[in-house]
Amino acid sequence: EVQLVESGGGLVQPGGSLRLSCAASGFTFSDHYMDWVRQAPGKGLEWVGHIRRKPEGYTTDYAASVKGRFFISRDDSENSLYLQMNSLKTEDTAVYYCTRTSWRSAVCFEDWGQGTLVSVSS
Amino acid sequence: DIQMTQSPSSVSASVGDRVTITCRASQGISSSLVWYQQKSGKAPKLLIYAASSLQSGVPSRFSGSGSGTDFTLTITSLQPEDFATYYCQQGGSFPLTFGGGTRVEIK
Repeated sequence: EVQLVESGGGLVQPGGSLRLSCAASGFTFSDHYMDWVRQAPGKGLEWVGHIRRKPEGYTTDYAASVKGRFFISRDDSENSLYLQMNSLKTEDTAVYYCTRTSWRSAVCFEDWGQGTLVSVSS
Repeated sequence: DIQMTQSPSSVSASVGDRVTITCRASQGISSSLVWYQQKSGKAPKLLIYAASSLQSGVPSRFSGSGSGTDFTLTITSLQPEDFATYYCQQGGSFPLTFGGGTRVEIK
């Protein structure tokens, strides 16, 4: 059974930093693309960023809203995904989901974690 | 960036009804369209990928169609557990983008 467990969320002041983690199990982590998707309170889904696999050089893509502030990394030896969030803004307040991502004639988020809440407020 | 527009934003329906949700892309995305279901307080769940392929374990009352810019999600014979919010997402190019969501409510 695929399991994705996010951690590291919490309350942080504007301008601060936070690092989210996602522990993966139940699948061969190194074989999969991984993403972060967020959802502000009462709002819709917003894609945050994507990380490819070792054969693709662990390259990343980001939404314009977070580019240059957020950074995704992964540790295949630890089956873990990370999201380093810097220069946080109040509009970054959201539940952050880690996803196992597949290509099926479309990039799709096949499995989701339970999410971790990040609140940015003074 | 490709904008995804869903309609309606909400729909009221009864158990047993047929519900259709539409999703329009701002430019052609071939069949690179995905549908998700999200219940209150829960993570989204993948329903349909490649516009019309049903994810394993998803009931056959869910179906998707379309290509290019116009897509539909149809739920035939709505069940109590289907009351949720549905999102489309284009997965053909980065940045990946979602529609605004359609809330299916009990009439």
